[in-house]
Amino acid sequence: DQQVKQNSPSLSVQEGRISILNCDYTNSMFDYFLWYKKYPAEGPTFLISISSIKDKNEDGRFTVFLNKSAKHLSLHIVPSQPGDSAVYFCAARSNDYKLSFGAGTTVTVRA
Amino acid sequence: DTGVSQDPRHKITKRGQNVTFRCDPISEHNRLYWYRQTLGQGPEFLTYFQNEAQLEKSRLLSDRFSAERPKGSFSTLEIQRTEQGDSAMYLCASSSQGPYEQYFGPGTRLTVT
Repeated sequence: DQQVKQNSPSLSVQEGRISILNCDYTNSMFDYFLWYKKYPAEGPTFLISISSIKDKNEDGRFTVFLNKSAKHLSLHIVPSQPGDSAVYFCAARSNDYKLSFGAGTTVTVRA
Repeated sequence: DTGVSQDPRHKITKRGQNVTFRCDPISEHNRLYWYRQTLGQGPEFLTYFQNEAQLEKSRLLSDRFSAERPKGSFSTLEIQRTEQGDSAMYLCASSSQGPYEQYFGPGTRLTVT
């Protein structure tokens, strides 16, 4: 029962352009959403998060948007840089601690 | 470096052997989590500790798996009688109590031959 879905397994974007990563969820009890970035042979690194009571959170080049009615969130990276090439995981929290992850989207930033 | 550390980073074992992994969380974090990640998937929740108490175990954690966190500091995850299906990356994370992010270690990659 995949409660968090990232339907795009990969994304290729030119350096300097916007990267938009999408995530859908089914559990309306999720109260906190997070994005993690993962390089090969490393653990996931926390990137940005958003509470379910907000619809936008911004941190530098990264912005997360939450649409609760559609059960959808997205991560915008502007401008994209070569170092952003990684796997990005969307995660959602329930019960104050438990994270459910999507399968990830591999982002490749082209020079 | 005060991040989450895991040991070993890689483990190759033969089917039927027992293995044990260790996780050292960020020192001020009272919550510790274990996840498992297989190829092409995101991490899946296995179990969770608050201090030394194990508060939830996923149905993914069969009877062959046991986790401990003595004294509420480091944690160990043991797999008995390993099977090929246990091959995965085992990730540990820690956090403070409350709406805080979980910080992950580098993981232990287990290969069962």
